[in-house]
Amino acid sequence: GAGVSQSPSNKVTEKGKDVELRCDPISGHTALYWYRQRLGQGLEFLIYFQGNSAPDKSGLPSDRFSAERTGESVSTLTIQRTQQEDSAVYLCASSPRRGLQETQYFGPGTRLLVL
Amino acid sequence: KQEVTQIPAALSVPEGENLVLNCSFTDSAIYNLQWFRQDPGKGLTSLLLIQSSQREQTSGRLNASLDKSSGRSTLYIAASQPGDSATYLCAVRPSAGGTSYGKLTFGQGTILTVHP
Repeated sequence: GAGVSQSPSNKVTEKGKDVELRCDPISGHTALYWYRQRLGQGLEFLIYFQGNSAPDKSGLPSDRFSAERTGESVSTLTIQRTQQEDSAVYLCASSPRRGLQETQYFGPGTRLLVL
Repeated sequence: KQEVTQIPAALSVPEGENLVLNCSFTDSAIYNLQWFRQDPGKGLTSLLLIQSSQREQTSGRLNASLDKSSGRSTLYIAASQPGDSATYLCAVRPSAGGTSYGKLTFGQGTILTVHP
């Protein structure tokens, strides 16, 4: 595709339910990133994939959060037993290579609301 | 821990004004710094990327400077237009080495409104 896509665009769920957020990076991009943006706050780094391995999981807020990536394609961020404080926009980004000079291309985000 | 601060938090100007957005970071051990634009309901768009060895980058009406030693960057927007209205974010990437090099640390952004 032309850019990073994410689905669903919006998700409303009840507290305690599990949710899965999907990210399709730009074809050929080896690096993939997940960020969270709470209302009125900056972006928080969650996790970074190089291929299908995750060298940096330091941003995952708790063990309720997990992420997977299949090869160098789609990634899924799973939040188990959602809490109201999980409400945020979850943004995914990809970049072409491991090189540090590469800019990150962002998707439109998934807006998650936990009631 | 790297912290990124953006000033002002919000800015409202009439069309045609030149303006400056500020970004500061606490750890000067960065590899590069990026300025992004975020429009409501949309993702981030990269505007300018400055490598740590560079002093500035220019793209059209935008000019970004970097003073790594003092931990500061500015984004200069010339002849502002209503279409420039958006949230502007700066983000820094740590220096090479370790597992955190993929991670960007963002400021909270400056909300810019340009009035016709």
